[in-house]
Amino acid sequence: KNQVEQSPQSLIILEGKNCTLQCNYTVSPFSNLRWYKQDTGRGPVSLTIMTFSENTKSNGRYTATLDADTKQSSLHITASQLSDSASYICVVGGNEKLTFGTGTRLTIIP
Amino acid sequence: EADIYQTPRYLVIGTGKKITLECSQTMGHDKMYWYQQDPGMELHLIHYSYGVNSTEKGDLSSESTVSRIRTEHFPLTLESARPSHTSQYLCASRLWDRGELFFGSGTQLSVL
Repeated sequence: KNQVEQSPQSLIILEGKNCTLQCNYTVSPFSNLRWYKQDTGRGPVSLTIMTFSENTKSNGRYTATLDADTKQSSLHITASQLSDSASYICVVGGNEKLTFGTGTRLTIIP
Repeated sequence: EADIYQTPRYLVIGTGKKITLECSQTMGHDKMYWYQQDPGMELHLIHYSYGVNSTEKGDLSSESTVSRIRTEHFPLTLESARPSHTSQYLCASRLWDRGELFFGSGTQLSVL
């Protein structure tokens, strides 16, 4: 069964600090890995999309890494801001289907 | 900014009512999707469409139905709402299978 597991489930950090969110997957076939940001009560917004051949992709203060051999990905947030408070969802794509993780709930406190 | 819109944003209705959740996109995407999401849980695919007159059921069993008469419009209908239908419903679209998936803002449905 295709699965995407994220850790931690929740995280609280001080404004200005860095953090790293983890994603482990068992999805076959593998096509791409996406990170989304979802504010409470809103739809997810895409941060990065990586294919099998990409190891790193950045979007501003967000940097995603992918190790296709170990089937692991991470999302690193630099110099966190209050607006970064949201759920971050890892999504793994096969040929057509997407498998969603349950997300990491990130809270930034001043 | 994604050009995909859902209405209403919030809906509170009584048991047994018929409702339609609207979803429209102006990006010309053929592929459209409906997801259901409960608080703190992952998104579950309930319906999808690959184009006009194409509709398929997703992984999660749902009592809702969908239609795709126009490329830009993908409404979801519940003939008789029940409290178990209380959830957030998210509409999404993309141009091709490996392309970026754009989401609407969602409809938060509460059935009393």
